[in-house]
Amino acid sequence: GQNIDQPTEMTATEGAIVQINCTYQTSGFNGLFWYQQHAGEAPTFLSYNVLDGLEEKGRFSSFLSRSKGYSYLLLKELQMKDSASYLCAVMDSNYQLIWGAGTKLIIKP
Amino acid sequence: DVKVTQSSRYLVKRTGEKVFLECVQDMDHENMFWYRQDPGLGLRLIYFSYDVKMKEKGDIPEGYSVSREKKERFSLILESASTNQTSMYLCASSIPGQGGPENQPQHFGDGTRLSIL
Repeated sequence: GQNIDQPTEMTATEGAIVQINCTYQTSGFNGLFWYQQHAGEAPTFLSYNVLDGLEEKGRFSSFLSRSKGYSYLLLKELQMKDSASYLCAVMDSNYQLIWGAGTKLIIKP
Repeated sequence: DVKVTQSSRYLVKRTGEKVFLECVQDMDHENMFWYRQDPGLGLRLIYFSYDVKMKEKGDIPEGYSVSREKKERFSLILESASTNQTSMYLCASSIPGQGGPENQPQHFGDGTRLSIL
C-alpha cells in the first residue's frame, strides 16, 4: 500500500531552526509537495521537489532523496506565526496526491 | 489571486438527510477535488473532476456523489448522511500540469466542518 509518515507533533523555540521529516512509500513518484495549514484555515502550498537536493525559498527549504524515499522541510528563524500543521504529499504514478497526516508545529517564545 | 470558496464554514445536519456542499473557484481551473480531513489521518480524496460533466472516484467515494455542471462549481452530495461522515471537508482546484506537475499545486478552500447528529 501507499504510505506517508511524518511526526505527529513537534515543538521548537522562536528564532531557532526546526526540521520536519517525511518518509514515503508510493506507487511511482512524480514529486513531493509541502503545505502549511493554520488551525481552521485552508492548506497553502509551500514547496515542490521532484529532483534530489535542496530547494530554498526564504526561511523555508525543502530537501528530497528519492532513493531513500525521504524529504524534510527546514524552517529557519522561527516566528510565532509559523505555528501550524505542515502536510507532506507525494504525487504518485497516476498523478494523484497521497497525503501524510501532518505535523503540528508548536513555537514557544 | 486564487480563490476557492466553500459555501459554509460550519454545517449541522441530521442522520439520513441529503446534504449538499458547494465549492466555487474563480481561476478557470480544470481540475477540482473534494477531500475529507480527520484527526490523525491525511487528507483523503473522495472524488475529483478534470472537466465539466466529468467525475472520477477517489479513495473513499462510498456514501458520496458529486456534480460538475459548470467549470467553476463542484458540488459534493451526501446521499443519506451518517454520523461517520462527520468531518472537515476541503475543496481544491488546480490547473493541468503544463510541463510537469510542479505547475499544479492545489489551491484549497477554507473547509466546511460538517457535523451529522
